[in-house]
Amino acid sequence: QKEVEQNSGPLSVPEGAIASLNCTYSDRGSQSFFWYRQYSGKSPELIMFIYSNGDKEDGRFTAQLNKASQYVSLLIRDSQPSDSATYLCAVNLPPRDNYGQNFVFGPGTRLSVLP
Amino acid sequence: DAGVIQSPRHEVTEMGQEVTLRCKPISGHNSLFWYRQTMMRGLELLIYFNNNVPIDDSGMPEDRFSAKMPNASFSTLKIQPSEPRDSAVYFCASLEGGVTDTQYFGPGTRLTVL
Repeated sequence: QKEVEQNSGPLSVPEGAIASLNCTYSDRGSQSFFWYRQYSGKSPELIMFIYSNGDKEDGRFTAQLNKASQYVSLLIRDSQPSDSATYLCAVNLPPRDNYGQNFVFGPGTRLSVLP
Repeated sequence: DAGVIQSPRHEVTEMGQEVTLRCKPISGHNSLFWYRQTMMRGLELLIYFNNNVPIDDSGMPEDRFSAKMPNASFSTLKIQPSEPRDSAVYFCASLEGGVTDTQYFGPGTRLTVL
């Protein structure tokens, strides 16, 4: 099992719809979770981070975390063509040797919002 | 703040040549990460530093790769000798530490080894 998994997509949704992106992770001890957006040819850009179970909302974006089921999701409401990008899930897994950081990125889900 | 700065933005070199990529983290951030991104393997962590000290270099592919962080505002990733399979986009990211562990990425260096 890979440490962080995402459906590679592409996920296509019509403009104005809700896009739902999912991510699962392997280590139950993970504490922090991140969603990045990456446009083609650009660097990853942070959208949201979440640490606690439940929902966290920021504008049109909602991150949902369920530690018991080991998944984190990102909902994009009122999707726009400008949201078309690859969305990377990142998890800070428990550190190796109990020290420092242990970030692992998923392979990304490509989202296409159709006008 | 200017964000994470990387140079060069593009590098084209021939197999066997030495390549040096440079990164300036966000001022005040105490951790710095080097990543490599390819279509096949996605975003992979190569090495990261905390307070200028290398903490985890388990992602460095082989001895041809080396990284240094001589001070808090500068890091280099060197490939010597370069090979065509090193062609990728190399990202540097920095992290402030403290309350959050959020990384901020630089624009990347697109490396092509012919």
